[in-house]
Amino acid sequence: AQSVTQLGSHVSVSEGALVLLRCNYSSSVPPYLFWYVQYPNQGLQLLLKYTSAATLVKGINGFEAEFKKSETSFHLTKPSAHMSDAAEYFCAVTSPGAAGNKLTFGGGTRVLVKP
Amino acid sequence: SQTIHQWPATLVQPVGSPLSLECTVEGTSNPNLYWYRQAAGRGLQLLFYSVGIGQISSEVPQNLSASRPQDRQFILSSKKLLLSDSGFYLCAWSGGAGTEAFFGQGTRLTVV
Repeated sequence: AQSVTQLGSHVSVSEGALVLLRCNYSSSVPPYLFWYVQYPNQGLQLLLKYTSAATLVKGINGFEAEFKKSETSFHLTKPSAHMSDAAEYFCAVTSPGAAGNKLTFGGGTRVLVKP
Repeated sequence: SQTIHQWPATLVQPVGSPLSLECTVEGTSNPNLYWYRQAAGRGLQLLFYSVGIGQISSEVPQNLSASRPQDRQFILSSKKLLLSDSGFYLCAWSGGAGTEAFFGQGTRLTVV
């Protein structure tokens, strides 16, 4: 079975400060990992994905994430927060054998950016 | 390019009324299709997924059902809505193993 834990349901950062969102996963086989962003009353948009290539993955809007197998983590970072980064972020996992390629999502982290 | 359409965007329905939400995908064939629900302040809960026409898997027992009458059409239904069915419903599709899911814009359902 797969699971995802996102530490911190809410994160507050100042504009220009580092954004760090934590994600830990559990999977019995090598995982595929994803980060999504959701703006109010909208669907989810893919930020980046890890599919067993480079462990440091760069995504859209200046975000990146690093896959650390030893720590079962896939934390999302952005060096300098922008007001437009205020949104909810979801980490998700699937695996090669997952029926229907189902994604399992974490509980989400809502980011507030202070001016 | 692939697109996913989901409608309506918002819906207010009385308790006990029926429900039908529709989702269609364009630009791909034989996608995996999904219905998720977000309750207020909670994460995404997978309700149903489908790997092909007429093939529906339910993830949680509930008052809802799903159907896939055509390859790129996925419908979420209920015969009688409950207050607890209120939430934000998201349709999504994905390709093969390890590929990302692409989401529709969601339907905000309020049962009154």
